[in-house]
Amino acid sequence: AQSVTQPDIHITVSEGASLELRCNYSYGATPYLFWYVQSPGQGLQLLLKYFSGDTLVQGIKGFEAEFKRSQSSFNLRKPSVHWSDAAEYFCAVGALSTGGYNKLIFGAGTRLAVHP
Amino acid sequence: EAGVTQFPSHSVIEKGQTVTLRCDPISGHDNLYWYRRVMGKEIKFLLHFVKESKQDESGMPNNRFLAERTGGTYSTLKVQPAELEDSGVYFCASSQGGRSETQYFGPGTRLLVL
Repeated sequence: AQSVTQPDIHITVSEGASLELRCNYSYGATPYLFWYVQSPGQGLQLLLKYFSGDTLVQGIKGFEAEFKRSQSSFNLRKPSVHWSDAAEYFCAVGALSTGGYNKLIFGAGTRLAVHP
Repeated sequence: EAGVTQFPSHSVIEKGQTVTLRCDPISGHDNLYWYRRVMGKEIKFLLHFVKESKQDESGMPNNRFLAERTGGTYSTLKVQPAELEDSGVYFCASSQGGRSETQYFGPGTRLLVL
């Protein structure tokens, strides 16, 4: 079955510390992978996506993620967290649907708190 | 350029009532998706329109949910009659084209059924 697992429901880090959010997926074919962020009162905003090519992808706001096929993982990283990064983060896989489109399968989300 | 908009932002209704949610996609986006997040659970796919046609409605939970996209512009999602388990946040997303295109999400409609 297609699924996405985000093992950490809540993470708290200090401002300036590094961050890694974990994501594991289960998908039979080459996955289309996404990280979205939702700040309070906002919609989901795309941070980055991976379809093919270089397995280290750069996104907005200083985030990056690395696709590791052997581990079925797509972890999100940031070298130095800012207070404004406090939000909920969602990993998703694009499952092939009717007509060749994507329907997104999301993980449960990781809520990030940042201490000053 | 305006993003995806959803109306209302919040809705509180009683069990058995009807509620209609609206989504306006980004102008020019043929693809429109509905997703739902029930409290504490994952965001789950409901259905997908290409223009005015339902491309994939495999995620619709039951026949109390009716989605329409007349004229291929905005979409409505009607829940009739609403049940307690329908409470959650309903997200709409739109995209331009195929599989590699980004889905842009609206802020969601928070529905509470009492």
